[in-house]
This record gives sequence, C-alpha cells and structure tokens, in this order.
Amino acid sequence: GAGVSQTPSNKVTEKGKYVELRCDPISGHTALYWYRQSLGQGPEFLIYFQGTGAADDSGLPNDRFFAVRPEGSVSTLKIQRTERGDSAVYLCASSLMRSGSPLHFGNGTRLTVT
Amino acid sequence: QKEVEQDPGPLSVPEGAIVSLNCTYSNSAFQYFMWYRQYSRKGPELLMYTYSSGNKEDGRFTAQVDKSSKYISLFIRDSQPSDSATYLCAMSADNFNKFYFGSGTKLNVKP
Repeated sequence: GAGVSQTPSNKVTEKGKYVELRCDPISGHTALYWYRQSLGQGPEFLIYFQGTGAADDSGLPNDRFFAVRPEGSVSTLKIQRTERGDSAVYLCASSLMRSGSPLHFGNGTRLTVT
Repeated sequence: QKEVEQDPGPLSVPEGAIVSLNCTYSNSAFQYFMWYRQYSRKGPELLMYTYSSGNKEDGRFTAQVDKSSKYISLFIRDSQPSDSATYLCAMSADNFNKFYFGSGTKLNVKP
C-alpha cells in the first residue's frame, strides 16, 4: 500500500515568507508526527496528533510554527516569518494507535530559507 | 546531556563483515526501541522494533536491548554495499508519544 506522502519534496523560500508543508499519512493511521532533521543530526520531535487534536506540541520551537490536522488525516505544518535557521528537512511519520506500532516516515520536505 | 547518544562514525567495513552499531540512553523509562536505516535524501526506514529487554533477529539483522546498562545494539551479519547508509536508533517511554532519536551512525560497506 501507499506510504506516507509529503509535498513538496523541496521548498526554497526567502527569509520572512510563509510556508506550508503537507503530509498525507498511511490510510488508517490515527497517530501523526512531525519531526525536523538538520544536517548530520537525528530527527527532532516537533508535534504529535491523535486524530484531529495535537496531543503534544512541546517540540515546536516558537509561535511561528503551527500544525493542523482538521479531518484526522492530512496534516499541514505552517511556518510564519521564516528564518534561515528554519532550513532543515521536515519529516512526517504516522502509526497505528496501538501498542507495538512503530513510526513510518515519509521522505521529507527539504526547506531552504535564503 | 542528550537523551540518546550515538557515535556518528563514519564506520567503514569490508563487504561480508559483521557490523555492530550502538546507542546509550539516560532515561530508564524508555521501553520501546527501534532501529532505522536512512539513505541519502530519503526518510528513515524501519529495520527493527523491540519492546523492553532481550534480543530480536530478522534475517541478517539482530537487535539487542540491555535495559540494566541502558545500551542497545544492532548487529548486521554478512554486510553488503547496499547496507551503506546512516543508521538511527530511536526510543520511547510511551508508544503513543515522543520518540527520541540518536544522531545516526554513517556506515560504509566497501565491495
């Protein structure tokens, strides 16, 4: 079956602009995660959804970052007033909501802020 | 101190060698442990998933968890050039919440 789909695969934007990154999880996966990965580092947790609600958003670095999942499937990560330090690969993962279910990742969106 | 520590490598081995990759952690509440493989410009791909202590084997891959030492390992037997990638360990105290990742070990298997 189809895996986690993320669009766009690459995004170049100017400092100060607004960007939206989209994630389409595996069908039937009710848990959805956003992670950020900088060069040479492991993924860093941003936010986690159970269904439509954000169950844990403690990893969002500041209030310029926001994520939604209005119908419990597709999610959008929104970044306002982008800064050069926001440049990274933004990874989305999904999983089943039951014990023993691991994370399944998409290929990420590579964001470059110039 | 980071929650999860992982030697970044790079680790270079000849084809056919046994590879040992390791992570240490500080949070004794971690009970779910995963190993991911990540090729360049791709997302992490799940290799192994274990719960609590013990060993798990899948083909050429064996995952070990030693909770008393807060130490996990991934062994790759008969390594192949196609195994060349970055290997990430990940762990969680609660399966439905945050997973903490190591920084990854870059492996190069030479033909």
